[in-house]
Amino acid sequence: QKEVEQNSGPLSVPEGAIASLNCTYSDRVSQSFFWYRQYSGKSPELIMSIYSNGDKEDGRFTAQLNKASQYVSLLIRDSQPSDSATYLCAVNRGDYKLSFGAGTTVTVRA
Amino acid sequence: GAGVSQTPSNKVTEKGKYVELRCDPISGHTALYWYRQSLGQGPEFLIYFQGTGAADDSGLPNDRFFAVRPEGSVSTLKIQRTERGDSAMYLCASSQMGSGELFFGEGSRLTVL
Repeated sequence: QKEVEQNSGPLSVPEGAIASLNCTYSDRVSQSFFWYRQYSGKSPELIMSIYSNGDKEDGRFTAQLNKASQYVSLLIRDSQPSDSATYLCAVNRGDYKLSFGAGTTVTVRA
Repeated sequence: GAGVSQTPSNKVTEKGKYVELRCDPISGHTALYWYRQSLGQGPEFLIYFQGTGAADDSGLPNDRFFAVRPEGSVSTLKIQRTERGDSAMYLCASSQMGSGELFFGEGSRLTVL
């Protein structure tokens, strides 16, 4: 079983719609959770971090965490063509090391 | 500089050659990571430095791979006797100690012919 699993996509959404990305992790002791965005040919950049159960909102992005279900999600509201990228879920067990999923590719159709 | 700097951005070499990839982290960041990313995959952990020492090198695939950070700042990833399977994007990241929030450089794309 992989440590972090994501649907690979691609996920295609029309401009202005909500994009919903899901991530599950295997290690129950995981403590902190991150979403990175990676444009084609570029390196990952951090867009959201979440540490406790519930929702965390930052602009058009909302991260949701459910530790009991070992599940993290990212919602992108009012999707824009500039949101087209691969979104990487990353999990930290409380030490220094991030484990990444394979990423979900999102395409926003104008 | 303001961000993590990696050189070279692109390296093409022949099978069996030796390669060095360099990373200059964000000033003040004590933690430095090397990851490797293949097409369609997420970054794969290679090694972590806290200060000058390699705190965890468990992700290095074999003894052809080695990394140093002699003064606690710049790091070099060294690959001996390169193989075609080593071809990938090598990403360096730095962070404040223990934060888990990594800042990545633009990567060094290695191609082994």
